[in-house]
Amino acid sequence: GQQVMQIPQYQHVQEGEDFTTYCNSSTTLSNIQWYKQRPGGHPVFLIQLVKSGEVKKQKRLTFQFGEAKKNSSLHITATQTTDVGTYFCGNQFYFGTGTSLTVIP
Amino acid sequence: DTAVSQTPKYLVTQMGNDKSIKCEQNLGHDTMYWYKQDSKKFLKIMFSYNNKELIINETVPNRFSPKSPDKAHLNLHINSLELGDSAVYFCASSQHTPTFGTSGGAVRETQYFGPGTRLLVL
Repeated sequence: GQQVMQIPQYQHVQEGEDFTTYCNSSTTLSNIQWYKQRPGGHPVFLIQLVKSGEVKKQKRLTFQFGEAKKNSSLHITATQTTDVGTYFCGNQFYFGTGTSLTVIP
Repeated sequence: DTAVSQTPKYLVTQMGNDKSIKCEQNLGHDTMYWYKQDSKKFLKIMFSYNNKELIINETVPNRFSPKSPDKAHLNLHINSLELGDSAVYFCASSQHTPTFGTSGGAVRETQYFGPGTRLLVL
């Protein structure tokens, strides 16, 4: 399968700190999507990026698609306890390996 | 109304048994999926069906047999359960199947997930 690599696998931050997760592919992607899975929950769609260099924001979340459309990032500014969960990027049928975020109050 | 529903939510069974998980979506979507999520949270595609036809079978053991009686349902039957089958199984649906774009492989469709079935094989 054409799985994208995602780093880091785990991240612990103090509440109020920033957080970033990265997805990398060896091949060019048509589009990339980001999903969030709360503990005990199911993945929920956050956003889709299609264009080279695209940047989209949702409140404290900033999503970027690389110029070569081979990588993407999700940045959270000033994390809150509600940000806890696992964040997945996805292309075609496949998901990245996920980054599990823990926010320490 | 739940958009994508799965039953049962929890399933505890003995090794060697046969079990089924059911999935239904009321979104009118054409495509449905089964994913397996292991203890490390990796989400692996198992199968995808488009309008009752199998389009993806991602090297899953043939003990796993999906069945789609209509495009709103995709069930998963597992024969001779093994310890390694313990995981959370998610059903999902999307409006269409990923289609090839102008560059970079298939265009991913937005997926809507069911609540998951937590399978424990003892």
